[in-house]
Order: sequence, then structure tokens, then C-alpha cells
Amino acid sequence: EAGVAQSPRYKIIEKRQSVAFWCNPISGHATLYWYQQILGQGPKLLIQFQNNGVVDDSQLPKDRFSAERLKGVDSTLKIQPAKLEDSAVYLCASSSWDRAYEQYFGPGTRLTVT
Amino acid sequence: SQQGEEDPQALSIQEGENATMNCSYKTSINNLQWYRQNSGRGLVHLILIRSNEREKHSGRLRVTLDTSKKSSSLLITASRAADTASYFCATGSMNRDDKIIFGKGTRLHILP
Repeated sequence: EAGVAQSPRYKIIEKRQSVAFWCNPISGHATLYWYQQILGQGPKLLIQFQNNGVVDDSQLPKDRFSAERLKGVDSTLKIQPAKLEDSAVYLCASSSWDRAYEQYFGPGTRLTVT
Repeated sequence: SQQGEEDPQALSIQEGENATMNCSYKTSINNLQWYRQNSGRGLVHLILIRSNEREKHSGRLRVTLDTSKKSSSLLITASRAADTASYFCATGSMNRDDKIIFGKGTRLHILP
């Protein structure tokens, strides 16, 4: 089965610019997650979708980050405006409803903000 | 906030030796998982152990869980170069099976 797809793989932007990341989960997976992983740390959950609804966005910096999953399949995560501390790898993951604890991760997008 | 904390932060061993990594956590959990992350394959789920289990095996992996000490260990036997990666423990909430919190990871380096 095809895995979680993410694009782009790498992105370099200047601070105060905007950027968007795209994720396509494994087919049939209802739950989609966006994580932020800063160098040397573990992934931190930013937002979780169940189909097209938000389940948890408690750690999403809503003044600058937004995410949507309009049709309950693929999703976009946007940062506007970006700050230096947003430099990280942004991981998308998905899971099925009957094995919600087992998350499948995409390759990630490495963002560098200069 | 990060729930699990792995120990050691970094580990280097000779190929063929066993590698042991530990994870401690603070609050009650439903399950604990171990993930591996390397540049080639990204973050991959290795094994899950539920709070009512004490030990699980998967190939060369052995995971133990001691809920009284709030700790888990991951043992990789007969290590190979391909095991070089970062290993993370992730704890699953008592209330939500789908929410996991990652630790900072152990960086394992297998020496040839």
C-alpha cells in the first residue's frame, strides 16, 4: 500500500514569509496528524483531524499556523508569517479508525527560516 | 509537553552487540510505543505494548514495561549497521488511544 505522501520535501524561506505544506494520507485512513519536530527533539503534535473535523489543535500556534482538511482526505498546513523558531521538520501521519494508536508517518518537510 | 524521556541520549556500540534504551514517563498511560527514525525511512512504528502487558517481542526487538516504575526498555539484539537511527518512545493517553506523546529520543550508532 502507498504510504503517506508529503510535499515539498525541503523549503527555505525568509522570516515573515508564508509557506504551505501538503499531505496525502494512506487511503482509507480517517485520522490525520501534523507534527512539528525541532532538531534534537521528538515530534510534537500540532493538530489532529478526524475526517474533515478538528479533534485537537491545542498546541497549534493559531496566530500564525492554520491547517485544513476540506474533503477529509489530503490536508495543508500553512505558516504565515514564519519566524526563525519555526525551522523544523513538519511530519504528517495518518491512522485508521480501528488501529488509532498505530500512526504511519510521511517523510516530512524540512523547513528552514532565515 | 513531552511525556517520555529516553536514556541514554546517545549510544554507540559495536555491530553484533545488544543495545538497550530506556524510557521513563510521568503519568498513567494506556500504551507505550517505540518508533525508529532515520534519514532513509523517516519515522517508523516498531512495537506497541499495552499497560497490562509486561513484555513483547518482535523479531530482534524486546520491549518491557514496568508501570509501577513508569518505565520501559527497548532491547535490540545482535545489532546491525541498519539499526543506526534515533529511537523514540511515545506514550498513549489513558483517555484517547489515538493521542501519543513522544520523548526526545536516543540516538543509536552501530559501529562496523
